[in-house]
Amino acid sequence: DTEVTQTPKHLVMGMTNKKSLKCEQHMGHRAMYWYKQKAKKPPELMFVYSYEKLSINESVPSRFSPECPNSSLLNLHLHALQPEDSALYLCASSQDFRIPGELFFGEGSRLTVL
Amino acid sequence: DAKTTQPPSMDCAEGRAANLPCNHSTISGNEYVYWYRQIHSQGPQYIIHGLKNNETNEMASLIITEDRKSSTLILPHATLRDTAVYYCIVHNNAGNMLTFGGGTRLMVKP
Repeated sequence: DTEVTQTPKHLVMGMTNKKSLKCEQHMGHRAMYWYKQKAKKPPELMFVYSYEKLSINESVPSRFSPECPNSSLLNLHLHALQPEDSALYLCASSQDFRIPGELFFGEGSRLTVL
Repeated sequence: DAKTTQPPSMDCAEGRAANLPCNHSTISGNEYVYWYRQIHSQGPQYIIHGLKNNETNEMASLIITEDRKSSTLILPHATLRDTAVYYCIVHNNAGNMLTFGGGTRLMVKP
């Protein structure tokens, strides 16, 4: 299994809602990542988890709250988002954050904030 | 990580080789060159990576110049399904994360 699975594929939420994006991998990878991608722009790194601990936070606003409950799961909790947060949110995993290697990406969750 | 420069767009005829250039003149000795592509509305997909030597796999070939200041990704027989944005990324061993630049939008035409 070389897949990274993201749910939901599409999400529409209001600015006062609380929702979560989920990401799952069963490749035994110990590094997991969240990227944000606006239309016609390259992906931008948001967070990196290494061995279930948050290693990098690229100055992301607190309305985005990541969580890594175990080595296979990564969540992104969303609260009080703004319309400009509408984007494709990509999850990725790799074998080990300390070792250069391939990142496996999911198909993404397309978020629309009304 | 070193900065990369790629042409914003390129066209290629179906069945012909697609040669995608990338400049990375500030690359340092321990930095790898990675190539990913992103087909419309999908997540990025790893293609190939290298440090000094040329590399080949079932998808593509990577040619790195001797001074390592530039590289070329070669898709030997482009198909319509190769239409995508191709990202050249340089990064070192200080954490396995990718910083994406603008990429090259490759359009393969019949």
